Amino acid sequence: AQKITQTQPGMFVQEKEAVTLDCTYDTSDQSYGLFWYKQPSSGEMIFLIYQGSYDEQNATEGRYSLNFQKARKSANLVISASQLGDSAMYFCAMRGTGRRALTFGSGTRLQVQP
Amino acid sequence: NAGVTQTPKFQVLKTGQSMTLQCAQDMNHEYMSWYRQDPGMGLRLIHYSVGAGITDQGEVPNGYNVSRSTTEDFPLRLLSAAPSQTSVYFCASSYGTGLVEKLFFGSGTQLSVL
Repeated sequence: AQKITQTQPGMFVQEKEAVTLDCTYDTSDQSYGLFWYKQPSSGEMIFLIYQGSYDEQNATEGRYSLNFQKARKSANLVISASQLGDSAMYFCAMRGTGRRALTFGSGTRLQVQP
Repeated sequence: NAGVTQTPKFQVLKTGQSMTLQCAQDMNHEYMSWYRQDPGMGLRLIHYSVGAGITDQGEVPNGYNVSRSTTEDFPLRLLSAAPSQTSVYFCASSYGTGLVEKLFFGSGTQLSVL
């Protein structure tokens, strides 16, 4: 079985500051992939970043980076230099070897304040 | 470049009515899936398909039917709507089910069952 836990229902951050959104996971799979998606108020799901369990380096995509700590089973999303447009719901998800679906966490609502 | 197209965007049903949510993708993706999103619960998998003619149940399949007669289309049928099915529904697809395969999402259908 797989499980994703996002313990922060809501977060506030000041514009231009960095913020970390927490994600822990539980799986018995040896190999797996971790994903982060953004859902703005308009409702669509936007892919942000991917990290493979076998990747030695943390993934980065522009202002997004993934702080992957395999021993702790955590895959935190770091957003640098927050912008007002970053205000959204953020979901962590994973897929294990041979599994056909992504398992999602309950999400964190981020609000960026001017 | 349409991607994943869902219709309708909004729907109100009365208890006991049936309806079909439509989903089509033009990316020649083999894998398609339906999720429902409820507050505080993230996205939960309803049904999925790994190719035309092949479907399987996800985490919350009761009350829903699917079929996959073509690669492009994956409709979700509500057989007899219940208030518990009030939710936002997302169709998603990917080329395959490998670890790195990210999901492409439709824009969602907001369904209310009275």
